[in-house]
Amino acid sequence: DTEVTQTPKHLVMGMTNKKSLKCEQHMGHRAMYWYKQKAKKPPELMFVYSYEKLSINESVPSRFSPECPNSSLLNLHLHALQPEDSALYLCASSQRTEYTEAFFGQGTRLTVV
Amino acid sequence: KQEVTQIPAALSVPEGENLVLNCSFTDSAIYNLQWFRQDPGKGLTSLLLIQSSQREQTSGRLNASLDKSSGRSTLYIAASQPGDSATYLCAVVTDKLIFGTGTRLQVFP
Repeated sequence: DTEVTQTPKHLVMGMTNKKSLKCEQHMGHRAMYWYKQKAKKPPELMFVYSYEKLSINESVPSRFSPECPNSSLLNLHLHALQPEDSALYLCASSQRTEYTEAFFGQGTRLTVV
Repeated sequence: KQEVTQIPAALSVPEGENLVLNCSFTDSAIYNLQWFRQDPGKGLTSLLLIQSSQREQTSGRLNASLDKSSGRSTLYIAASQPGDSATYLCAVVTDKLIFGTGTRLQVFP
């Protein structure tokens, strides 16, 4: 099983809302990632968790708040987003951050109105 | 700063052709290189992972090569089919994945 599951698949939120994106994997991977992808652009890294600790934050605005409650679960908490934050948010996991194959979920399509 | 470029940016071919997609990177200090395909509005599907000690990896009609010293990887698709139509992304692996600019492929019947 090489599945990474993301929920919800689609999300529409207002600029004053608080919402969360969820990502789950049961492959025993210890590295998990959040990427943001705008239309016709490659994915851009937001955060990396390694062994449940935040190891990389690519200078992401504080309105995005990641959380890794356990080795299988990764959340992305959203608050006071802007319309330009509308994008496809992708979660990925790998055994470790280096040398190993990364697997991606199907993404959450976020629209901020 | 690592920069990853893919050529061509777009490709439209009749089915049956053998294809070559190119990926180049500026810093050869990578662990691995991974190729993905992405269908419109969907997530990424892993196609091939080439570890830094390998030069080539094959899966079905796909073959990927890696030349770290020259900063290049190539994805060969044999006997292309309409179902191969997608965006193909390469990613170099360090402590994170850094993606290339992508090649949008259309294979028509």
